[in-house]
Amino acid sequence: QLQLQESGPGLVKPSETLSLTCSVSGGSIGDNSYYWGWIRQPPGKRLEFIGTVFSSGNTYYTPSLETRLTISVDTSKNEFSLNLSSVTAADTAVYFCARLYSDSRNFYSYYYMDVWGKGTTVTVSS
Amino acid sequence: DIQMTQSPSSLSASIGDRVTITCRANQSISNYLNWYQQNPGKPPKVLMFGASNLQSGVPSRFSGSGSGTDFTLTINSLQPEDFATYYCQQSYNTPWTFGQGTKVEIK
Repeated sequence: QLQLQESGPGLVKPSETLSLTCSVSGGSIGDNSYYWGWIRQPPGKRLEFIGTVFSSGNTYYTPSLETRLTISVDTSKNEFSLNLSSVTAADTAVYFCARLYSDSRNFYSYYYMDVWGKGTTVTVSS
Repeated sequence: DIQMTQSPSSLSASIGDRVTITCRANQSISNYLNWYQQNPGKPPKVLMFGASNLQSGVPSRFSGSGSGTDFTLTINSLQPEDFATYYCQQSYNTPWTFGQGTKVEIK
């Protein structure tokens, strides 16, 4: 059974870099079948899609964050990571990692997040 | 970015009720619309993808419909475990975006 687990500091100072890792178990990131993603949820706000990475290292970053964002993958450790630089209080959120699944039917390919980590709370404060 | 708006933002219902949640996109997204359920302190769980396709393992009392800009999630015969917050999400264009959520509470 595929499981994802986020890890990283719960408290980050303003202007510093937020670094999180998502460890994958019960499946291999390197099987080249899936995209892997990061999503966050600020307190009391809607979910926000951050970006994705493929096992090859190809990435997608949401435009509002791409100047500060790096997502990478380490297939040897079966994990992928997020680095968000120059953080502010607006980056305070629960951060989730997830697998992006693709279901193809009737000439459509539907992407959705089918397996999620439990989430980790990150607070930006001095 | 495509804006997703859900209505209502919250609703109160009783066990056994039929509940309908609406999601509207500010431009056509064909049927690239997913629905998630989230309980407090938990990650979201996908219920529907492609607007009307039930995710494996999700009870059949959940159903989805719509295309273009207007979509609905219907829960027939609401059960105790259904009291949660529901989010729609479009996967038509990047960046993928979510609705603001609809909280289903016990009446």
